[in-house]
Amino acid sequence: QSVLTQPPSASGTPGQRVTISCSGSSSNIGTNTVTWYQQLPGTAPKLLIYSNIHRPSGVPDRFSASKSGTSASLAISGLQSEDEADYYCESWDDSLNGPVLFGGGTKLTVL
Amino acid sequence: QVQLQESGPGLVKPSQTLSLTCTVSGGSISSDSFYWNWIRQPAGKGLEFIGRISTGGGTNFSPSLRSRVTISVDRSKNQFSLNLSSVTAADTAMYYCARSGVMGGYIFDSWGQGTLVSVSS
Repeated sequence: QSVLTQPPSASGTPGQRVTISCSGSSSNIGTNTVTWYQQLPGTAPKLLIYSNIHRPSGVPDRFSASKSGTSASLAISGLQSEDEADYYCESWDDSLNGPVLFGGGTKLTVL
Repeated sequence: QVQLQESGPGLVKPSQTLSLTCTVSGGSISSDSFYWNWIRQPAGKGLEFIGRISTGGGTNFSPSLRSRVTISVDRSKNQFSLNLSSVTAADTAMYYCARSGVMGGYIFDSWGQGTLVSVSS
């Protein structure tokens, strides 16, 4: 069981807005920044969001994220079929669990 | 645009050592402030950080794997390598190499395509 907790699944219809949560603790999300990765089927993960809210060049602004206390969330607006993927949160951890932890992943299905 | 490519045996026997290499192209592995990482993913499961090495040779490892992991750099070949000793079936996974450091030490901005390693006799 991952120290960073994500819902195993999420779904939405095209055009909808969906959110994916990531819950941690004071030794990880509460103290350090959160990163989000997108893993399309059969491919390597891709950096989606870094330092809680920032998008790398090339990531559509439909993807946004936030952090509050020991939790973070990823939001996808204007959902598209190509957004169907696994999404992982990640944070550095200052405890013996560290140095870096991934969430268990959320499989997003576009209905 | 940096590219990373994993290589190594796809099958390793239990109790033996898993050895993988990541070849970096499109940039120097000796560039300042970069870290070179190994991350794995069992089939159908989540990501697990294994360890990293800095351009200066410093290393950091997952506490659960630290006793079995070695990571090294070969600057002449622009490669870095992973050795995982005493493997068991639980080490069967897709193994990825990745770069970090551009945006932060544990922000993995470039990934290899992955190489599948099975541990079986």
